[in-house]
Amino acid sequence: ETGVTQSPTHLIKTRGQQVTLRCSSQSGHNTVSWYQQALGQGPQFIFQYYREEENGRGNFPPRFSGLQFPNYSSELNVNALELDDSALYLCASRGQGSDTQYFGPGTRLTVL
Amino acid sequence: AQRVTQPEKLLSVFKGAPVELKCNYSYSGSPELFWYVQYSRQRLQLLLRHISRESIKGFTADLNKGETSFHLKKPFAQEEDSAMYYCALSRYNNNDMRFGAGTRLTVKP
Repeated sequence: ETGVTQSPTHLIKTRGQQVTLRCSSQSGHNTVSWYQQALGQGPQFIFQYYREEENGRGNFPPRFSGLQFPNYSSELNVNALELDDSALYLCASRGQGSDTQYFGPGTRLTVL
Repeated sequence: AQRVTQPEKLLSVFKGAPVELKCNYSYSGSPELFWYVQYSRQRLQLLLRHISRESIKGFTADLNKGETSFHLKKPFAQEEDSAMYYCALSRYNNNDMRFGAGTRLTVKP
């Protein structure tokens, strides 16, 4: 059983650019959540996908969007990057009926 | 609105001493509460959840609805307990999990 993986590990972008982050869920997990973790803060919930549909969203603007694919892998897209988007982005997956989330190692995004 | 507060950013104790990491929450409904832990160079992982009323690695946490608290306790801290601890709250089905800012626990020899 493989764990949650994320790519890339690190990414540097400039203001105004767009970025796509990827997450591969743990085998058998159909729910994935994305979080933003700024330095010195706890993770902040961005949104959750279940069976390819968004079914929960935190307080993030529409320029943060996502996709979940039939194999339950997922993408986080951020348009019009701002300096404050610099953070560690975490994805977490869980199986149906379970409340245990398994986190990936994160993608460190730096916006210059 | 859901909110989780961990009042201590840093906590340092000696090995063998009791440890308590504080967590207070605000939520109008019935919350589900969790403690997550992140050891050095490892990913965030679930430590325990209130609904299971379990003890993991000697840690326990009791939900006190009157005081809206979910403090994490261990009677005798070990050096390997040194880590970052996050308290988290969610509504049903984890659609919107809120994390506290975290407490860094250091257990000194």
